[in-house]
Amino acid sequence: DAGITQSPRHKVTETGTPVTLRCHQTENHRYMYWYRQDPGHGLRLIHYSYGVKDTDKGEVSDGYSVSRSKTEDFLLTLESATSSQTSVYFCAIRDSSGSSYEQYFGPGTRLTVT
Amino acid sequence: QKEVEQNSGPLSVPEGAIASLNCTYSDRGSQSFFWYRQYSGKSPELIMSIYSNGDKEDGRFTAQLNKASQYVSLLIRDSQPSDSATYLCAVNIQGGFQKLVFGTGTRLLVSP
Repeated sequence: DAGITQSPRHKVTETGTPVTLRCHQTENHRYMYWYRQDPGHGLRLIHYSYGVKDTDKGEVSDGYSVSRSKTEDFLLTLESATSSQTSVYFCAIRDSSGSSYEQYFGPGTRLTVT
Repeated sequence: QKEVEQNSGPLSVPEGAIASLNCTYSDRGSQSFFWYRQYSGKSPELIMSIYSNGDKEDGRFTAQLNKASQYVSLLIRDSQPSDSATYLCAVNIQGGFQKLVFGTGTRLLVSP
């Protein structure tokens, strides 16, 4: 499972509240990614990180921010949650060993914004 | 035009048959291609990666890549009911940081 954990696994929150999702990895991978998955849209990249304090936007970054102060943790924050951010959120790491470019996913966080 | 397109299915095959899943992509510069399997309520699981034109076999799975036609496929031989899942095609769009674009997936149903 590439040593990836996500917390919380499920969360229900109200519109307008801040929410932080955590991705933790134990294998010192440099690249980490946050995706959301919605019916009809598939997996879409929110933000990614290519090192400590090095992050960039993905396809659907509006309303989200990220931070990476340690190699092992990549945090996704919804500053003021909206109902459109109800989704399943997956963290992924890129296996940078050898010439592999493969990404492996964490177990996901199901977020409901009421 | 979507960057990665897949037929949503469901694709129904009987147990023991070959399941053929297809994917087309729009970025001619793409170099890396991946197939993920996702069971309902679970996270995507990488099952195949392919980087060169031709076929790549791993057990009952064969990935096929044709860059000229911008087409990648996944064959599952001797399909089992446990193969019933959604199969996601993913294509890189920027080699350095390995940003992946995913198709919306094809749902496969294997009947006993």
